[in-house]
Amino acid sequence: RKEVEQDPGPFNVPEGATVAFNCTYSNSASQSFFWYRQDCRKEPKLLMSVYSSGNEDGRFTAQLNRASQYISLLIRDSKLSDSATYLCVVNGLGNTGKLIFGQGTTLQVKP
Amino acid sequence: DVKVTQSSRYLVKRTGEKVFLECVQDMDHENMFWYRQDPGLGLRLIYFSYDVKMKEKGDIPEGYSVSREKKERFSLILESASTNQTSMYLCASSPPSGSTDTQYFGPGTRLTVL
Repeated sequence: RKEVEQDPGPFNVPEGATVAFNCTYSNSASQSFFWYRQDCRKEPKLLMSVYSSGNEDGRFTAQLNRASQYISLLIRDSKLSDSATYLCVVNGLGNTGKLIFGQGTTLQVKP
Repeated sequence: DVKVTQSSRYLVKRTGEKVFLECVQDMDHENMFWYRQDPGLGLRLIYFSYDVKMKEKGDIPEGYSVSREKKERFSLILESASTNQTSMYLCASSPPSGSTDTQYFGPGTRLTVL
C-alpha cells in the first residue's frame, strides 16, 4: 500500500463547478498535512496546510479526518486558472522534516 | 519570500558523464532535499540534509551522491549518468523540524541523458 494515495484523475469540470479531491495516508502517527499545487512543468507550491479543525482559504477548503486517515480538498466556483495537479502531502516518520507526496490529482477546468 | 534556485532549468548530458546539479536557498533553512519526479511515479526523495556536512539517504539514493559544504547550498551529483536518470530534479528546503514541515521548491532541472 502506498503511504499517500490519491486518485490521479483527470477531473474535468466546467467553470463554476465545485470539485472535491480525497487522499488517504497509511501512517496513523502523521502530524502534518498539506495540499500543494503543481502547474504543468513547474515546481510544487504550497496551497494550504490542513489542520484538524479544517481550514478555509477563499474558495478552497481542506478537511482532515484522523480516524479514517483521509484528507480532502474542496474547490468551489472553479476557475480556469485552477487547472493544475494537486498533491496531497503528509509528514514522514520521525522528526526529520521529510514529507511524503501523493502522486497528485489532475484538475482540468473547462470554459 | 523564500527563494530556492537551481543552477540550470534544462540540461543534456551523455551517458557516463559526471553531472552536478546545484541548489541554493536564501532563507537560512536547515533542511534541504533532492527529489526526482517522473510521470506516474510522483516525487521520490533521493537524499536530504538537515545540517552542513550532514546527509541522509532517501528512498532512491542509488547512482547519486550529495554535498553540503555550506548551509545555503546543496549539490546533487550523478557520478556516471545513465539514461534511466533522465528526469525532472527538484530541490527543496525547509526550516528546522518541529517548526514547520513546509518545503519550498526550486524551479526544477529537467535533465536528459543521451
